[in-house]
Amino acid sequence: EAGVTQFPSHSVIEKGQTVTLRCDPISGHDNLYWYRRVMGKEIKFLLHFVKESKQDESGMPNNRFLAERTGGTYSTLKVQPAELEDSGVYFCASSPGTGGKRGYTFGSGTRLTVV
Amino acid sequence: EDQVTQSPEALRLQEGESSSLNCSYTVSGLRGLFWYRQDPGKGPEFLFTLYSAGEEKEKERLKATLTKKESFLHITAPKPEDSATYLCAVQDVSSNYKLTFGKGTLLTVNP
Repeated sequence: EAGVTQFPSHSVIEKGQTVTLRCDPISGHDNLYWYRRVMGKEIKFLLHFVKESKQDESGMPNNRFLAERTGGTYSTLKVQPAELEDSGVYFCASSPGTGGKRGYTFGSGTRLTVV
Repeated sequence: EDQVTQSPEALRLQEGESSSLNCSYTVSGLRGLFWYRQDPGKGPEFLFTLYSAGEEKEKERLKATLTKKESFLHITAPKPEDSATYLCAVQDVSSNYKLTFGKGTLLTVNP
């Protein structure tokens, strides 16, 4: 079974530019999550999709962040315009259901650096 | 607000030297406590889910235990390949999907 795939693995952009991160969940996983870890902090929840619907975006930092999941398959997370404090590692995870009995499968993350 | 505190921040062991990692948590009600392993440049890799006080789970040299306020990850006779960051996360009863993570413990096992 292929895992959760994220790309790019690294992105370096200038402040004010736009960046789009992509996540391909495990096939058949209806639930998709985005998390972020900024330097020196813990991994924090950003949002949760069930199929193509956003169930909870309470963790999104502000309206410069936009997440979509077209057709309930892959998801994108766009940051526009990027600010210095957006630097960090963005993780995507997926699961067949919620509750975590079999855990949540994480991707390797996208390391975003805003300069 | 849910909180997870892991200690120590870093731990260095000699191969074969057993030890424990601690995860203290504060939640309104615990739905589940998760342990993950993270290698450099990788995402968290699921190890265990614990649901109620007194529960224990084992996998190879790892054993996780749970009380009402904390969880321990016991590492017996560790090997260098056990070196990684170990993350603890909790899920509150108010959510059946959101994880609140601690900062992790960086474990280094020297040969």
